[in-house]
Amino acid sequence: DQQVKQNSPSLSVQEGRISILNCDYTNSMFDYFLWYKKYPAEGPTFLISISSIKDKNEDGRFTVFLNKSAKHLSLHIVPSQPGDSAVYFCAASGTGSARQLTFGSGTQLTVLP
Amino acid sequence: NAGVTQTPKFQVLKTGQSMTLQCAQDMNHNSMYWYRQDPGMGLRLIYYSASEGTTDKGEVPNGYNVSRLNKREFSLRLESAAPSQTSVYFCASSEALGVADTQYFGPGTRLTVL
Repeated sequence: DQQVKQNSPSLSVQEGRISILNCDYTNSMFDYFLWYKKYPAEGPTFLISISSIKDKNEDGRFTVFLNKSAKHLSLHIVPSQPGDSAVYFCAASGTGSARQLTFGSGTQLTVLP
Repeated sequence: NAGVTQTPKFQVLKTGQSMTLQCAQDMNHNSMYWYRQDPGMGLRLIYYSASEGTTDKGEVPNGYNVSRLNKREFSLRLESAAPSQTSVYFCASSEALGVADTQYFGPGTRLTVL
């Protein structure tokens, strides 16, 4: 049973517009959430994170929103750029048996010029 | 400062052959991890080492062994490779497991088992 789900395998967005990537989780033990970006033939690189004590974290063009009651987080990229085209993975961790990172299956974002 | 390095980048094995994937980090991190990535399945944890001298199974440990050689190095061994182990393998490291932890990844090893 997938504890972290990214239900959209792919997303296409026009350059300059907003990209919204979504992630849902089921494990109530998760209290730390991350987004990673992955280019082909490279390892994932850390993008942004959020702790469960916050509902929003911003870093430049990237903002992550956390809705704990809905067990949902989203990554907003504004404005989107062609260089943002990559696979984005959502990941979560917590305490005890949930302390390892659990990853979603990824969303391929394509930003069209 | 190279971060996390992995060798080899590519490998082709025949069923039943063995090999060791090497990983090293220069960030003085305590924890290290091995993942595999398969299409449509994200990254799945094979084994991890919370600190030097300890190793533990992750989600998909069968068919693999690991060695935490020292604080810098964490190797993954396939004793008898099977086609189901065809995958991309990533090593990662972090300061400390489970403490609002951010993991940093190597570039990956693409393994094909025929």
